[in-house]
Amino acid sequence: DTAVSQTPKYLVTQMGNDKSIKCEQNLGHDTMYWYKQDSKKFLKIMFSYNNKELIINETVPNRFSPKSPDKAHLNLHINSLELGDSAVYFCASSSHYGYTFGSGTRLTVV
Amino acid sequence: GENVEQHPSTLSVQEGDSAVIKCTYSDSASNYFPWYKQELGKRPQLIIDIRSNVGEKKDQRIAVTLNKTAKHFSLHITETQPEDSAVYFCAAKPQAGANNLFFGTGTRLTVIP
Repeated sequence: DTAVSQTPKYLVTQMGNDKSIKCEQNLGHDTMYWYKQDSKKFLKIMFSYNNKELIINETVPNRFSPKSPDKAHLNLHINSLELGDSAVYFCASSSHYGYTFGSGTRLTVV
Repeated sequence: GENVEQHPSTLSVQEGDSAVIKCTYSDSASNYFPWYKQELGKRPQLIIDIRSNVGEKKDQRIAVTLNKTAKHFSLHITETQPEDSAVYFCAAKPQAGANNLFFGTGTRLTVIP
């Protein structure tokens, strides 16, 4: 069983479209995250979320929005996609310390 | 917020030699410092971590040291092997607030057979 699973693995879409990436964890962790990894391999946090609190990195455009239907899921919605949104997006979850990452979603905006 | 700097950005070593990657952090209240290995096209995976009440931790060929006073920590890989080739990330977790990890910019390690 995959601990943190993301879908889709690859996503190619045109500028201006709206898309979603799904993430699910079966570890019972309290907190989930979205990270963006750009072409230079920098890992930057976008959101962290538990049942009580959503923390947003202030540099993230408001076109990006997390949606958490329950503790085990944190989906990422992106509106009006731009070329610069092309990157690998990683979901992760944690309890107190160590993270477990999903396998990543490679988003390509054309 | 926390700012983590990592050096070098690339590192090439001969198989069997040692590799050292260094990181500094800005928030003196940070209390958890993991290291992740990311192979090409794969997810980052935790390889070792250290908490602020410990100065050194070792796991077979991998060791991490922490200097709280200087706010820096290092990853040491001994007897490197070609399968150690990957991008390595350090990270720091501030004590306050959510469990956010702030990552360094990564080091691409190449072990030459």
